[in-house]
Amino acid sequence: GDSVTQMEGPVTLSEEAFLTINCTYTATGYPSLFWYVQYPGEGLQLLLKATKADDKGSNKGFEATYRKETTSFHLEKGSVQVSDSAVYFCALTASGSARQLTFGSGTQLTVLP
Amino acid sequence: DAGITQSPRYKITETGRQVTLMCHQTWSHSYMFWYRQDLGHGLRLIYYSAAADITDKGEVPDGYVVSRSKTENFPLTLESATRSQTSVYFCASSFGGQNQPQHFGDGTRLSIL
Repeated sequence: GDSVTQMEGPVTLSEEAFLTINCTYTATGYPSLFWYVQYPGEGLQLLLKATKADDKGSNKGFEATYRKETTSFHLEKGSVQVSDSAVYFCALTASGSARQLTFGSGTQLTVLP
Repeated sequence: DAGITQSPRYKITETGRQVTLMCHQTWSHSYMFWYRQDLGHGLRLIYYSAAADITDKGEVPDGYVVSRSKTENFPLTLESATRSQTSVYFCASSFGGQNQPQHFGDGTRLSIL
């Protein structure tokens, strides 16, 4: 079946450091890929998405590129802020699926001032 | 305000009791979903619904019942709660296309003693 493997956390960085959170997937066909972010006590919010190979999703300084050849969708940000501290989830919807999301296990990011 | 709301936010109950978690959305989204979030598992799909009166099982449906008599509501019932159902439950909705993001409520934290 479909699956998403995410970099184990937690990740702790200093403010202005470079962030990479790795995400790889297994799915048949052409899935759509998403990054969601969850702040403490809240639900998940869409951070960015990409729907076909070589697409780059971007939002709030975060970027991720859909790499079909390596089945990856790594999340990057050039300079993190304390306000970026949250849990980040990589997810996919498979082509031909009933539209449900398959999630990775999440990565806790803490940014220290 | 438009959005998706879950109630209650917190619930403590005892094993064997019936408990219902409510979910209401105002976007007229056709698809609605229930997930549970447990440490180390990310989010796992319990049930989903493609439209009123149409529901289907997700990855972990055992012990749960859903209904969808109106498009905007999608309640989740635990008919006889067990300790293993202690979790954070999230409701989500979307227009249903593969590329459409899901919008999440703030969650219900359920503890079963």
